[in-house]
Amino acid sequence: EIVLTQSPGTLSLSPGERATLSCRASQSVTSSYLAWYQQKPGQAPRLLIYGASNRATGIPDRFSGSGSGTDFTLTISRLEPEDFAVYYCQQRDTSLSWTFGQGTKVEIK
Amino acid sequence: EVQLVESGGGLIKPGGSLRLSCAASGFTFTSTWMAWVRQAPGKGLEWVGRIKSTSSGGTTDYAAPVKGRFAISRDDSKNTLYLQMNSLKTEDTAIYYCTRTFSSDSSASSWGQGTLVTVS
Repeated sequence: EIVLTQSPGTLSLSPGERATLSCRASQSVTSSYLAWYQQKPGQAPRLLIYGASNRATGIPDRFSGSGSGTDFTLTISRLEPEDFAVYYCQQRDTSLSWTFGQGTKVEIK
Repeated sequence: EVQLVESGGGLIKPGGSLRLSCAASGFTFTSTWMAWVRQAPGKGLEWVGRIKSTSSGGTTDYAAPVKGRFAISRDDSKNTLYLQMNSLKTEDTAIYYCTRTFSSDSSASSWGQGTLVTVS
């Protein structure tokens, strides 16, 4: 099973700042199968990025994804008040199993 | 508009069984792979399993913790996804989300609101 490790656990930033979230895999992940989600309290997760760098429908362009192999990054260029949430990365491996990272909480400083 | 509406959650004793349903609308259910994802209280997301579309064979895959106890099925005539949960354990307590998979089953593009299962 591929293990995804997200860092940092918590990111304390102010609105307008840039957020950089990391997702590291225990084995190489096919970029096509790496996704990012946002989850706000009491809500279901929302797909932000699929295929490592493709924004899902309706996602603002301040969200971007990059990376390959074992290292992937989600960047929020300028934090808006509604962006403070928990973010998860997720991958699908060759056995068709999905795994999620443990999450990064982006909180208001 | 894509809608996924789960139902069937509740309080159940360890060792018991429960069946969750997910009513889908707003997309072509019959050709869509579907998955269940759960989230224990205050914890992260955990993939439970998937079912391929009927045209892709309708086969299922499961995460190790639930394999042999849980079963995913679908009724394309009713646009409904099911999760049969048997031999429930306290560690199965979670919100269970029905999801529509996307881009060759790489990710979950749509999520239901979730249904809470409490095993106690």
